[in-house]
Amino acid sequence: KQEVTQIPAALSVPEGENLVLNCSFTDSAIYNLQWFRQDPGKGLTSLLLIQSSQREQTSGRLNASLDKSSGRSTLYIAASQPGDSATYLCAVDNQAGTALIFGKGTTLSVSS
Amino acid sequence: EAGVAQSPRYKIIEKRQSVAFWCNPISGHATLYWYQQILGQGPKLLIQFQNNGVVDDSQLPKDRFSAERLKGVDSTLKIQPAKLEDSAVYLCASRRIGQVNGYTFGSGTRLTVV
Repeated sequence: KQEVTQIPAALSVPEGENLVLNCSFTDSAIYNLQWFRQDPGKGLTSLLLIQSSQREQTSGRLNASLDKSSGRSTLYIAASQPGDSATYLCAVDNQAGTALIFGKGTTLSVSS
Repeated sequence: EAGVAQSPRYKIIEKRQSVAFWCNPISGHATLYWYQQILGQGPKLLIQFQNNGVVDDSQLPKDRFSAERLKGVDSTLKIQPAKLEDSAVYLCASRRIGQVNGYTFGSGTRLTVV
C-alpha cells in the first residue's frame, strides 16, 4: 500500500530565504508525482507535476525534483515571499487515471 | 473555463443527522473524485467515478456514505447517519480522460458534526 510522508510538518522562515520541502513515498512504482498548494478555506492548486520518466520540473521560483529509486521528491522554493505562506501537499498516483495519494502536507509561514 | 463548483460551502449538523453535498465538475471531464480531508491530514479518496460508473470506492464507508453521479455529470455525496469523526472538508475534483495533468479541485464543503 502506497504511503506518502512529508517533512517537516510545519516551517517558519523569514522573507527571502530559500527553502526545501521533502516528500517520500514507499512504493517506487509511481506514475506521476505532483505538488499542490492549499490556502485556508480553498481547494488545491497544482504547482508542478513530474512524470515518472522525468527528474525535475521548474516553474518560476519553484523547482521540484524526483528520485524514484529512493522514493523521494523535494520542492525547492527560492527567495520566499509572504505570499508563499500556505500548505504544500505532495501526491502520487500509481497508474494512469487512478486517484492521487496525498501526504499530510507541510504548512509554510513566511514572515516579512 | 469554469471551475469545479461545490455546495454548500459550510454545513453544521448534529450527529446522527443526514447531509448531502453537491459537485458540478468542469464540462467534458469524465473522471470525478470525492476526497475527505480531516484537519491536519492530506485528502483521502472516498470514491472515483468515470462517467457515471464507479472506478474505486474501496475507502468509502458504505454503511453510512453513498455517492452517485447521474448522467455522468453532477455528483452528490451523502452521509447518513453522520458521526463526530465525519467532521472534515469534502473536496470534489475532476479530470479529463487521458490528460496527464489537469486535476481541478473545488473549494470544498466544510462539515462540522456536533
